[in-house]
Amino acid sequence: DVKVTQSSRYLVKRTGEKVFLECVQDMDHENMFWYRQDPGLGLRLIYFSYDVKMKEKGDIPEGYSVSREKKERFSLILESASTNQTSMYLCASSLSAVVSYEQYFGPGTRLTVT
Amino acid sequence: DAKTTQPPSMDCAEGRAANLPCNHSTISGNEYVYWYRQIHSQGPQYIIHGLKNNETNEMASLIITEDRKSSTLILPHATLRDTAVYYCIVRLHSGSARQLTFGSGTQLTVLP
Repeated sequence: DVKVTQSSRYLVKRTGEKVFLECVQDMDHENMFWYRQDPGLGLRLIYFSYDVKMKEKGDIPEGYSVSREKKERFSLILESASTNQTSMYLCASSLSAVVSYEQYFGPGTRLTVT
Repeated sequence: DAKTTQPPSMDCAEGRAANLPCNHSTISGNEYVYWYRQIHSQGPQYIIHGLKNNETNEMASLIITEDRKSSTLILPHATLRDTAVYYCIVRLHSGSARQLTFGSGTQLTVLP
């Protein structure tokens, strides 16, 4: 079974702090994604990566950056956390950068910025 | 991606089959039907996908009508742990359509 793990289930940070969210997948998938999910707004893509050191912006990249130094790990960075970044953050991976295979999600990190 | 329409909520008795409908009347010939679910406070979980033939795996069956304008996800023996929001998505299988976009889905409640 594909396993996608995220570093924390719950996180509380203060406004202005730098926040790191880590995601690791164990199935040698090429694609990795970071989404946020908010009530009434559904799932929104922040960034995705189709290869090591490669990244593309999603719909809402402002205030976020990402890093993919190794194939299995994809990090989301909030440079200076703000209260409007309070959300559920979901990491996902999929097999191929060419074919749009099904995506496998981690358990999510519920981030609260106070 | 083609738009989908699902009922907002459904109930099902434990042990019975849960049949979740989805309309996708604007689906194009190379778009697949995918189903995901999300149990409360967890990440979404892939269930099944298909193009035009019926599909079955260990979790569910997917029945797609001949004209491909609608489909039904069948959970053959629903359990309490199947209570979740179920999302029907229509999307290309290849190319740049990598992003998942969920609609509002169907809240399935399995009753004891």
